[in-house]
Amino acid sequence: GQQLNQSPQSMFIQEGEDVSMNCTSSSIFNTWLWYKQDPGEGPVLLIALYKAGELTSNGRLTAQFGITRKDSFLNISASIPSDVGIYFCAGQLPSYGANSKLTFGKGITLSVRP
Amino acid sequence: EAGVAQSPRYKIIEKRQSVAFWCNPISGHATLYWYQQILGQGPKLLIQFQNNGVVDDSQLPKDRFSAERLKGVDSTLKIQPAKLEDSAVYLCASSFQGQGTGELFFGEGSRLTVL
Repeated sequence: GQQLNQSPQSMFIQEGEDVSMNCTSSSIFNTWLWYKQDPGEGPVLLIALYKAGELTSNGRLTAQFGITRKDSFLNISASIPSDVGIYFCAGQLPSYGANSKLTFGKGITLSVRP
Repeated sequence: EAGVAQSPRYKIIEKRQSVAFWCNPISGHATLYWYQQILGQGPKLLIQFQNNGVVDDSQLPKDRFSAERLKGVDSTLKIQPAKLEDSAVYLCASSFQGQGTGELFFGEGSRLTVL
């Protein structure tokens, strides 16, 4: 099946710093999404991208849909303690009349030092 | 607007026992998903319903897992008999759009420990 690669598994940054994460795949995806999961909670959608080259912001978060459709990037600017959590990328294959399954990466655990 | 409701939040059972998880999606959401999330991994789709029909159950271990969504609203996921490797968080999610957009709303999950 399709695999999404996220690395490293963990990132440690200082409060106020910017951080970038990327997600790559050998498959072409029609949709890229970024979710965040806090401990004991389900993932929450941060940003959805639907078009190659698309750049979308949500507050301090910015994500881009790679031109090749095989990758995506998430940037967090001026990090704060509540940014701590696990960040998952997810990709969706082209849909042909039915919902197409989402494939999730393994996630990156972000720690923010005050 | 109420979110996706799941119960129980936690369940501990011994191997070979059975367990059932319940999910109530967001009102009006036609599509319901059950995901399995093993510690340190991303969620893996087990089954996807569109109303009360199954869209995708290709990754559901059908010898021990079953799911139903009667009346196209609530859903139940059952495991019988459970194995040690079934220890995971079982996440229910729902989405509004009939065509997949990937914009899912997840519940808090049901954490299963199999001893």
